[in-house]
Amino acid sequence: DGGITQSPKYLFRKEGQNVTLSCEQNLNHDAMYWYRQDPGQGLRLIYYSQIVNDFQKGDIAEGYSVSREKKESFPLTVTSAQKNPTAFYLCASSLTGTGGSEQYFGPGTRLTVT
Amino acid sequence: ILNVEQSPQSLHVQEGDSTNFTCSFPSSNFYALHWYRWETAKSPEALFVMTLNGDEKKKGRISATLNTKEGYSYLYIKGSQPEDSATYLCASSGGYQKVTFGTGTKLQVIP
Repeated sequence: DGGITQSPKYLFRKEGQNVTLSCEQNLNHDAMYWYRQDPGQGLRLIYYSQIVNDFQKGDIAEGYSVSREKKESFPLTVTSAQKNPTAFYLCASSLTGTGGSEQYFGPGTRLTVT
Repeated sequence: ILNVEQSPQSLHVQEGDSTNFTCSFPSSNFYALHWYRWETAKSPEALFVMTLNGDEKKKGRISATLNTKEGYSYLYIKGSQPEDSATYLCASSGGYQKVTFGTGTKLQVIP
């Protein structure tokens, strides 16, 4: 089955700890994305990668870091510098990095930091 | 940052009724408009990606239109069914650039 997997589904961390969210795809897509959703808000872009070994900041990149060492994988690290890390995080991929390429989404990870 | 707005924020319709919602986006530097359906406990799924002014797309009872000159798109659902209950997201992009999402329209179809 082709698709995008995110793990874990729920994640709990103490304040001050870094945490890494996993995102893997076997769709052979070039582009991958990380979004964050908060109540009452739309999906906000954190980081995106149009091709392996390259990535760009989205609208709310502060306090986050990513890597794209393999085409299939785009892990997101939420650092202690992120002031409000508790949120629902969605990973997506698309065949190409053009704005006209539809995105395929993973199931999401709900992160709670206390 | 492109500002994408959707209306209404939420609505309830009776089973069998037809309905529509609006997505507005900046018309300058436009490249593509996406519609996604997001059902509870599932991942968002793409419905349509449209690029041309006047474009109309249809998938079953759901259709969408695009006006790039004035910067809006309509999503229509004919004969709503309970399984159509979901949040409908639209998103706009300007080429080799990030896609910007609206906040969505939450549809509840009452049996």
